[in-house]
Amino acid sequence: AAGVIQSPRHLIKEKRETATLKCYPIPRHDTVYWYQQGPGQDPQFLISFYEKMQSDKGSIPDRFSAQQFSDYHSELNMSSLELGDSALYFCASSSPTGMNTEAFFGQGTRLTVV
Amino acid sequence: AQRVTQPEKLLSVFKGAPVELKCNYSYSGSPELFWYVQYSRQRLQLLLRHISRESIKGFTADLNKGETSFHLKKPFAQEEDSAMYYCALRNNAGNMLTFGGGTRLMVKP
Repeated sequence: AAGVIQSPRHLIKEKRETATLKCYPIPRHDTVYWYQQGPGQDPQFLISFYEKMQSDKGSIPDRFSAQQFSDYHSELNMSSLELGDSALYFCASSSPTGMNTEAFFGQGTRLTVV
Repeated sequence: AQRVTQPEKLLSVFKGAPVELKCNYSYSGSPELFWYVQYSRQRLQLLLRHISRESIKGFTADLNKGETSFHLKKPFAQEEDSAMYYCALRNNAGNMLTFGGGTRLMVKP
């Protein structure tokens, strides 16, 4: 069965550059969540989308933005990268059926800022 | 490779009954284990971590290295405990977090 796909798997950027991370949810899933996990830290919620609209916002820096497109894939755009942005970014998607739906997680994108 | 298995996709109990959500892992090193909870359409939240040995919302979990398990328990389930529960393992380097497939807990009145 198809899973949540994230690309790229690894990304190396220099300070002040920009990066775009992509998340392709499981087909027919309408909700996407983004998390950031820094070295030695717990995953931190960044932002989520439901039906292409932002549904919840966590500790996402102003330098970051995200959106969900008509095909339900989502992109996390990160500008003016800082060394502290180095982390594992992973997304999860959930399905529209019923109120209590489980989330499926992608493998994550490892961003290294040098 | 590290792997986390939650054998039960759905667990349904009545209010006041004991609950045990199973989690088994495979990892060659010394793991760091977590339980996360996700209420309906909300963000993932950390419930507890094994290193702190704490009880949150009445839930406890003990790491059993011999059985490679980290089961989540609560003696008396409440309706508000109904949610998705994810067990997760972090490697020694701290750069990889692997989630189990999740268990949906339904607590009936």
